[in-house]
Amino acid sequence: DAMVIQNPRYQVTQFGKPVTLSCSQTLNHNVMYWYQQKSSQAPKLLFHYYDKDFNNEADTPDNFQSRRPNTSFCFLDIRSPGLGDAAMYLCATSARGEGRETQYFGPGTRLLVL
Amino acid sequence: ILNVEQSPQSLHVQEGDSTNFTCSFPSSNFYALHWYRWETAKSPEALFVMTLNGDEKKKGRISATLNTKEGYSYLYIKGSQPEDSATYLCAFRITGNQFYFGTGTSLTVIP
Repeated sequence: DAMVIQNPRYQVTQFGKPVTLSCSQTLNHNVMYWYQQKSSQAPKLLFHYYDKDFNNEADTPDNFQSRRPNTSFCFLDIRSPGLGDAAMYLCATSARGEGRETQYFGPGTRLLVL
Repeated sequence: ILNVEQSPQSLHVQEGDSTNFTCSFPSSNFYALHWYRWETAKSPEALFVMTLNGDEKKKGRISATLNTKEGYSYLYIKGSQPEDSATYLCAFRITGNQFYFGTGTSLTVIP
């Protein structure tokens, strides 16, 4: 089945130790998104790629970076995780980023920072 | 930052009851309104994408309405079943690929 896959489902890292979360898709969609959801809060868009074009949200901290080496894969790099970065990270895709399109989500990676 | 509010935050209903909840969003710069269902340990699943004022969408026992002029959308579940237990998220979209989510309504259906 075509899907959005996130690995790992749970990630534990240490304060200040770089960590990478991965997302892959078999839908061949142009757009890939990364969201952060902290406990009891709304998912917040961090950035998205339209093909290779990177679009950063204005309030996304510099500590968060992303790479999209090809259509199928997108990575979220947290350069120096702080305790406040513990959250659920959701990856999503959409076909062309047009108004009526839905987003397809992965199951998320829950990040714990010790 | 745009404010998208969902109410109630959580509710418990008996199996067979019908229920509804609300998503409120800014009435300006409207592009689309998305509803998702998110079951624990699974991926959020798209329910509806609504783009026109007065839109009504239906999927089985679940339906949604949209009022873009006053900035709200209702989600209705008729005859709730235990498998409907999930968090229901709405997302307000402005032009481009900018989505603003609400915090969700957590629904528990008691058998």
